[in-house]
Amino acid sequence: QSALTQPASVSGSPGQSITISCTGTSSDVGGYNYVSWYQQHPGKAPKLMIYEVSNRPSGVPDRFSGSKSGNTASLTISGLQAEDEADYYCSSYTSSSTVVFGGGTKLTVL
Amino acid sequence: QVQLVQSGAEVKKPGASVKVSCKASGYTFTSYGISWVRQAPGQGLEWMGWISAYNGNTNYAQKLQGRVTMTTDTSTSTAYMELRSLRSDDTAVYYCARRVVKGASDYWGQGTLVTVSS
Repeated sequence: QSALTQPASVSGSPGQSITISCTGTSSDVGGYNYVSWYQQHPGKAPKLMIYEVSNRPSGVPDRFSGSKSGNTASLTISGLQAEDEADYYCSSYTSSSTVVFGGGTKLTVL
Repeated sequence: QVQLVQSGAEVKKPGASVKVSCKASGYTFTSYGISWVRQAPGQGLEWMGWISAYNGNTNYAQKLQGRVTMTTDTSTSTAYMELRSLRSDDTAVYYCARRVVKGASDYWGQGTLVTVSS
């Protein structure tokens, strides 16, 4: 199972919006509404930000939103804040009943 | 509050085995699965597999089939991940996480660093 494709890095200024893409295939992202997004700060465990494409766990700000079109899922962060600077990973359930992660995207807040 | 507390760091020689524990608290252990994810130094996340704490069913990543075994002890609400025939590229931080829905884990352990070195 190949990793999902994410941009290596994105950046934005405070207050702006950014979008991180996550491209897979019809056997993972395109085939199921089980796409998740995780935020990871250096030296910390990942934190679930979005599950089932667009659902936010309790406590996650509504500045974070998720969507999907075909084989590509997206995470949008609006009103960018300094504390949003982190690595972001997408993941998807697959046709093999496994899970595949993206390679990760480093978000820099300028 | 939900907590997953993992065992401490390990140093192993190539060819050895390691068993990492993950003790859960703050929820009904058998109502959720446990996923295991690892992260090599400076690298991304890699899904290793998951186990149902309800019935013990497992699903492992293909690349680890035959080397990994995940188990649970419901009497102590603890999950275990054993990896055998260790190689240097198994050096990583290993995380356990509570599987909330397919492909998503909402609470994570603090991570266990496993170093494989001769």
